[in-house]
Amino acid sequence: GAGVSQSPSNKVTEKGKDVELRCDPISGHTALYWYRQSLGQGLEFLIYFQGNSAPDKSGLPSDRFSAERTGGSVSTLTIQRTQQEDSAVYLCASSQGSTETYNEQFFGPGTRLTVL
Amino acid sequence: DAKTTQPNSMESNEEEPVHLPCNHSTISGTDYIHWYRQLPSQGPEYVIHGLTSNVNNRMASLAIAEDRKSSTLILHRATLRDAAVYYCIPRPDSGGSNYKLTFGKGTLLTVNP
Repeated sequence: GAGVSQSPSNKVTEKGKDVELRCDPISGHTALYWYRQSLGQGLEFLIYFQGNSAPDKSGLPSDRFSAERTGGSVSTLTIQRTQQEDSAVYLCASSQGSTETYNEQFFGPGTRLTVL
Repeated sequence: DAKTTQPNSMESNEEEPVHLPCNHSTISGTDYIHWYRQLPSQGPEYVIHGLTSNVNNRMASLAIAEDRKSSTLILHRATLRDAAVYYCIPRPDSGGSNYKLTFGKGTLLTVNP
């Protein structure tokens, strides 16, 4: 079946520009997550959506980062006024639920963002 | 969050078993131990998880020490496709922000043909 998809797969932008990254979760999955993986670093949690509950934004590194999830499905991560330190692979994941420990997270292939 | 320690890298030969260790001495009594792996240029994928008893699935086996301070992921016959970074992740069984997966540096497994 279809997995988590992300677009674009690669994005090159200039410093100061805004970018939007898209995530299509697995159909029926109520939980959606964004993570970031910088070069040589581990994965860093950014934000979490679960159904109609308020998202957990505690991992967003600055107010230049925002995300929304429309209709409980597709999500968009927006980075305003991009900086070179924003260069990373942005990974989206989804799961059927979230807090039950058996709910494995299914990851997309990621979007590689390069800020020049 | 419980701290984990894994070897930076390990090497194996194809068709041989691989034992990937993880130390999680500060794990709490209700934390499950999850393993994910990340193949080159892909997102992580779930491998296995357990609490106290050893666990088996089609991908691997998980052996958990009796004191739960360490665990070992076992790939019974490594293939070239198993070359990846393997992450050991303690995860609370419920409540709070247990939905956050905290990835460390993991172990880079190289499989030689």
